[in-house]
Amino acid sequence: DAKTTQPPSMDCAEGRAANLPCNHSTISGNEYVYWYRQIHSQGPQYIIHGLKNNETNEMASLIITEDRKSSTLILPHATLRDTAVYYCIVRSPRETSYDKVIFGPGTSLSVIP
Amino acid sequence: DAGVIQSPRHEVTEMGQEVTLRCKPISGHNSLFWYRQTMMRGLELLIYFNNNVPIDDSGMPEDRFSAKMPNASFSTLKIQPSEPRDSAVYFCASSSERDGYNEQFFGPGTRLTVL
Repeated sequence: DAKTTQPPSMDCAEGRAANLPCNHSTISGNEYVYWYRQIHSQGPQYIIHGLKNNETNEMASLIITEDRKSSTLILPHATLRDTAVYYCIVRSPRETSYDKVIFGPGTSLSVIP
Repeated sequence: DAGVIQSPRHEVTEMGQEVTLRCKPISGHNSLFWYRQTMMRGLELLIYFNNNVPIDDSGMPEDRFSAKMPNASFSTLKIQPSEPRDSAVYFCASSSERDGYNEQFFGPGTRLTVL
């Protein structure tokens, strides 16, 4: 039971911003939103996470709506190397549950030259 | 840091044979996970260890699968006997509590083919 809904696939032109949506309408107040990605033939890679505030790091930005029912991962200037499957995951904080991470089918992002 | 190390990277075996997959987590990490990935079922959590103790093995498909973590730097996933439907990529991941959250670091995976 993945708790999140993502579009199965998206395209993005190289150099443009990639905006990947995720719906998590049943998220609880103490649950975090995490994003991972998996480049072909590699293991998943952590990107970013957040609770209710927008977050930014060297890889991406995470925008969470005020009601927390959805979020958007933004890759500001997509490159061909960003072609991957992106997973949006809802997790409880470690102090209330263990590390269980449930991966859904994710969004397959294709960055086009 | 070498990251999570898995061996072998590729394994081809015949049905009925025993298969052992190995994982060395990142030094200092106290949580270890085994996942399986197939086209049909996606990425599935098989088992989770914390401080070398199995916490949740509800994802282990059946008794043919077993996992051990004899110490903090080594874990094995064993399939005996193997079947063609076990063909998949098996990932090991590790994590450590830091700043209130856990980022899981994944290894490169072992691609298992059972003929």
